[in-house]
Amino acid sequence: EDKVVQSPLSLVVHEGDTVTLNCSYEVTNFRSLLWYKQEKKAPTFLFMLTSSGIEKKSGRLSSILDKKELSSILNITATQTGDSAIYLCAVERNAGNMLTFGGGTRLMVKP
Amino acid sequence: DAGITQSPRHKVTETGTPVTLRCHQTENHRYMYWYRQDPGHGLRLIHYSYGVKDTDKGEVSDGYSVSRSKTEDFLLTLESATSSQTSVYFCAISVSGVGTGELFFGEGSRLTVL
Repeated sequence: EDKVVQSPLSLVVHEGDTVTLNCSYEVTNFRSLLWYKQEKKAPTFLFMLTSSGIEKKSGRLSSILDKKELSSILNITATQTGDSAIYLCAVERNAGNMLTFGGGTRLMVKP
Repeated sequence: DAGITQSPRHKVTETGTPVTLRCHQTENHRYMYWYRQDPGHGLRLIHYSYGVKDTDKGEVSDGYSVSRSKTEDFLLTLESATSSQTSVYFCAISVSGVGTGELFFGEGSRLTVL
């Protein structure tokens, strides 16, 4: 059974801080790892990391996949109140047809 | 915008009653999913579909059934709702066409079972 564990469970920072969110996984025949951001409603896609693309960056957000340690981090620099959300990590296996999600990290950014 | 509509968006029902949630897509994607979200559990897969009349179970399928008679509609049914099924239900579609990768989610359906 695939397993995804995220840490910390929750985090409170102030605007301008840098945060690092963690995701560790156990999956048979790993294909990719995905990060999502969930504000009030539907999760929205951030990044997908695969064996051929282990680092992604978009503005203040970046993510790295460590295949040896079976983990990934999501970094957010110069945080803003709009970054407040639940961040979800998910993995998929080859020929799997589905994603397995972690429990999420709730980030609150205070002004 | 992947064009996913869930209905109803909110529902309160009583234990033992049947409930059906509907997911409608406008873009003819093959793979559709039903997840539930509960505090501390992230998103857990209930059932998914890879085509008309083709469905499979996820990790928390007990107490749920699904049907897909048309490409655009994926129905989730609770035959006899229980309080443990109080949750937020999300429908999702895979835009890659091969059932993996990036998923687009609907806005969610909040179900309360009293």
